[in-house]
Amino acid sequence: EVQLVESGGGLVKPGGSLRLSCAASGFTFSNAWMSWVRQAPGKGLEWVGRIKSKSDGETTDYAAPVKGRFTISRDDSKTTLYLQMNSLNTEDTAFYYCTTLRGYSFKYWGQGTLVTVSS
Amino acid sequence: EIVLTQSPGTLSLSPGERATLSCRASQSVSSSYLAWYQQKPGQAPRLLIYGASSRATGIPDRFSGSGSGTDFTLTISRLEPEDFAVYYCQQYDSSSYSFGQGTKLEIK
Repeated sequence: EVQLVESGGGLVKPGGSLRLSCAASGFTFSNAWMSWVRQAPGKGLEWVGRIKSKSDGETTDYAAPVKGRFTISRDDSKTTLYLQMNSLNTEDTAFYYCTTLRGYSFKYWGQGTLVTVSS
Repeated sequence: EIVLTQSPGTLSLSPGERATLSCRASQSVSSSYLAWYQQKPGQAPRLLIYGASSRATGIPDRFSGSGSGTDFTLTISRLEPEDFAVYYCQQYDSSSYSFGQGTKLEIK
């Protein structure tokens, strides 16, 4: 059974930083392209970024609103995905979901972790 | 950047009825790159359809997807009580992904 378990969410002040983790199991993590998707409370889904597998170059891509502030990385030995978030602002308040990419769609999702940016 | 517009914003139907949800793209999207998701309150989204018309694992055959170019449709042939939820379409283009704003399917 595929499991994606996010952690690291919480309350942070504007301008602050936070690192999210996603512990993966039940599939070959090293072969998977992974992504983060967020959802502001009561709002729609927004893609954050993606990281390819190491064999595909471990390339990252980001949505415009987070480019230059957020960094996605992975540790295949720990089957864990990370999202480093810097220079946070109130518009980054959201549930952050870890997902696996199947082709061009998001197949498996974690339960999400809430990040609240507020003074 | 491709923008996806879903309609209607809210759809009120009764169990047993047929639901037709629309997703229109601001420019042509490859059918291979179009997906649909279902999200219930307090839950993560669930992949329903990928490649515009292929059902994901475990998805009942009352769910079907169709369309090409800029116009795509999700059809639920006969609504069950558990189908009332929010539905999102999603596309991929040039190393970027985007979602529509969602259609809320509510019980009439």
